[in-house]
Amino acid sequence: NAGVMQNPRHLVRRRGQEARLRCSPMKGHSHVYWYRQLPEEGLKFMVYLQKENIIDESGMPKERFSAEFPKEGPSILRIQQVVRGDSAAYFCASSPGPGPNTGELFFGEGSRLTVL
Amino acid sequence: EDQVTQSPEALRLQEGESSSLNCSYTVSGLRGLFWYRQDPGKGPEFLFTLYSAGEEKEKERLKATLTKKESFLHITAPKPEDSATYLCAVQDSGGSNYKLTFGKGTLLTVNP
Repeated sequence: NAGVMQNPRHLVRRRGQEARLRCSPMKGHSHVYWYRQLPEEGLKFMVYLQKENIIDESGMPKERFSAEFPKEGPSILRIQQVVRGDSAAYFCASSPGPGPNTGELFFGEGSRLTVL
Repeated sequence: EDQVTQSPEALRLQEGESSSLNCSYTVSGLRGLFWYRQDPGKGPEFLFTLYSAGEEKEKERLKATLTKKESFLHITAPKPEDSATYLCAVQDSGGSNYKLTFGKGTLLTVNP
């Protein structure tokens, strides 16, 4: 019974390159959330997706960031033209139903992005 | 805007020394308050959800309580394996009620 799977666990990029982070939710979960954890900061909501739909991306920076959750395959968080300030841990979480009010969120182990 | 403040930032305890962690929150309407545990290099792991003032939840050495302005995580006779960062989060009852607003966490260290 695999949990939320994220890859890569660690990613190093130079400024201006692209970063792609992948998340496979728990089996049976169709709701995916991305959170970012900056050093010395709390987890910040970025985006909420269901299969083929972006429900809320209000926490995403307006430029360079995008997310998708296709019908087949993992959810992907894409960061174009990375800058040093993008260095953070990116966590994916999934839930079986609409929103964490139905119960707990199941988090992956995170993808740690370092921008040189 | 929802806000969550956790205190202390860090806490060192001796094994068996009970204590409490605090989570103060500001939210227009509370749908739920959540406690998570995060080990170094790992993702948060769900512990409790509290929905209304006066509610309490227990799990092993941990007990979470809720008032209208704050929540406490009481740790009774802690063991070294309880060492972790404990995160508090709130969920607003407004339109975007699936977002969790997290505090920065309390880093708990329990020495043997």
